[in-house]
Amino acid sequence: GQNIDQPTEMTATEGAIVQINCTYQTSGFNGLFWYQQHAGEAPTFLSYNVLDGLEEKGRFSSFLSRSKGYSYLLLKELQMKDSASYLCAPLRGYQKVTFGTGTKLQVIP
Amino acid sequence: GAGVSQSPSNKVTEKGKDVELRCDPISGHTALYWYRQRLGQGLEFLIYFQGNSAPDKSGLPSDRFSAERTGESVSTLTIQRTQQEDSAVYLCASSLALQGYGYTFGSGTRLTVV
Repeated sequence: GQNIDQPTEMTATEGAIVQINCTYQTSGFNGLFWYQQHAGEAPTFLSYNVLDGLEEKGRFSSFLSRSKGYSYLLLKELQMKDSASYLCAPLRGYQKVTFGTGTKLQVIP
Repeated sequence: GAGVSQSPSNKVTEKGKDVELRCDPISGHTALYWYRQRLGQGLEFLIYFQGNSAPDKSGLPSDRFSAERTGESVSTLTIQRTQQEDSAVYLCASSLALQGYGYTFGSGTRLTVV
């Protein structure tokens, strides 16, 4: 089965750093995706972690701990355009992804 | 094509009517997915196609929902006898059949059942 838990909403200030946490319980776990979804738009791929540790990609970094069933997405130097929902999405088996309900991030001046 | 194309972008239908939604995946993407997203909620998995394998239909909410895909091309999602609770955005995504390869989503079809 699947159980994904992430905060519903967060607010952060432009230029700051924000960490969005996700805990999951997924049978057949095979990695974890993070997606970004702006209001009224389709989700877009941000990152994929399969091994424990931190993956850095520009202003965005994603961390995974398989033993703890825990991941986070770290956004640095926040910009107003980063206001969006961030979806934690564990991969089950080979190709089946389940999406959490997402964390709605609001960046304020 | 350059991206995943879905049509129509918007559909308003009367309760009880059938609707057909179309998805054109990225050329070469063997995996195709349908998700449903109700207003303010997360993505709900509906069905997954991978090449010529039997589709994973485990997410279809009722027998009013069905989907087809011919080979590695276009897919259609059909909802029969629509109900008001079917109102949602229906998102299609495609991907290469590689572990960890991200999905590319279409812009979705916004279905409103009145």
